[in-house]
Amino acid sequence: AQKVTQAQTEISVVEKEDVTLDCVYETRDTTYYLFWYKQPPSGELVFLIRRNSFDEQNEISGRYSWNFQKSTSSFNFTITASQVVDSAVYFCALSVLIKAAGNKLTFGGGTRVLVKP
Amino acid sequence: DGGITQSPKYLFRKEGQNVTLSCEQNLNHDAMYWYRQDPGQGLRLIYYSQIVNDFQKGDIAEGYSVSREKKESFPLTVTSAQKNPTAFYLCASSAREGAGTEAFFGQGTRLTVV
Repeated sequence: AQKVTQAQTEISVVEKEDVTLDCVYETRDTTYYLFWYKQPPSGELVFLIRRNSFDEQNEISGRYSWNFQKSTSSFNFTITASQVVDSAVYFCALSVLIKAAGNKLTFGGGTRVLVKP
Repeated sequence: DGGITQSPKYLFRKEGQNVTLSCEQNLNHDAMYWYRQDPGQGLRLIYYSQIVNDFQKGDIAEGYSVSREKKESFPLTVTSAQKNPTAFYLCASSAREGAGTEAFFGQGTRLTVV
């Protein structure tokens, strides 16, 4: 079975501060994908980033960056120079390659980010 | 615009009633999913479907039923057997079978038992 843990339930920052969201996952599979989704107040989940288990290269995309470390089963996500519009709930999710099961996502509990002006 | 449409946005149900939540997508995706979200918690999978006329139970299927008669539609029925139906329900779809495909989500239906 898969498990995703987001230990931070809520983070509050002042605009322009950096925010790092922690994510720890558990799986026995060697092939898997990790995702970060954003849930704004409107409710829908918006896809942000994806990383597969064979690619530990950390990247930066605009104000977003992520740190994937298989040795510690962590997939942390950072928002640089936060803005008020970044206020949302952020979910880390895991998907393993199960035949005929498609993209079944296992979600963490989410971290609510509040960016104050 | 392409996307997933869920309706209604808010739904109220009396004790003992069945209610059906609608989910329609025009992304031409094969796979569709229903998730339940409770306050302060992550999403849990209720049912999913990889192809028309076929669907599988997720982690919390008890008290729910689905159908997949058309590729575009995947309605969820919350039956009276679901003891605690008050929650936020999200429908999603993805392009193809496979763990790496990103899922696209609707805006959700908030169900309240009155």
